[in-house]
Amino acid sequence: DTEVTQTPKHLVMGMTNKKSLKCEQHMGHRAMYWYKQKAKKPPELMFVYSYEKLSINESVPSRFSPECPNSSLLNLHLHALQPEDSALYLCASSHSRDWANNSPLHFGNGTRLTVT
Amino acid sequence: DAKTTQPPSMDCAEGRAANLPCNHSTISGNEYVYWYRQIHSQGPQYIIHGLKNNETNEMASLIITEDRKSSTLILPHATLRDTAVYYCIVRHTSGTYKYIFGTGTRLKVLA
Repeated sequence: DTEVTQTPKHLVMGMTNKKSLKCEQHMGHRAMYWYKQKAKKPPELMFVYSYEKLSINESVPSRFSPECPNSSLLNLHLHALQPEDSALYLCASSHSRDWANNSPLHFGNGTRLTVT
Repeated sequence: DAKTTQPPSMDCAEGRAANLPCNHSTISGNEYVYWYRQIHSQGPQYIIHGLKNNETNEMASLIITEDRKSSTLILPHATLRDTAVYYCIVRHTSGTYKYIFGTGTRLKVLA
């Protein structure tokens, strides 16, 4: 079991659909992350939120739109995706760097996304 | 942030120690070394981290060389459940949120 919960576990969507991935943590962490992982590759950082504000955007295409409505929730809104966007999307959280600058990441088990 | 180099794969006999190396020759004095592992179809799991001194917890030991250019993760008595991809990451202590994963080592524990 993980303390970071991601829903749904699996998602199949067409290229014209709009869908959202959700992530929730109740560890009091103020930094939350989205990573993308293709098969047999390491996770790639997409976005980081710190205190509900976007801190890092790793030049991710605008068809991916993150949102952090409060300190416990992180969403990733998806629109007009391509088949090559099919991947495992991982959410993680950590203490903010103001609190503990060596805080490790805590990951959820991901949403496996297939774009058809 | 310093980059890391790991062997792509390793085998280890069940019950023996698994020693996983990581090269981080460009590491700076303010960068921590973190280890994570990822079991198939799960998210990465934090194992251990260190700055200069060797570290040990209930999962593993981390040995960092004196010049800090490399480190070794030791699983003292590997079990079949330790079969996973192990990632070594370095991150600056100034608190950047950039945890950048390297290519990792695929460890297979053999019965």
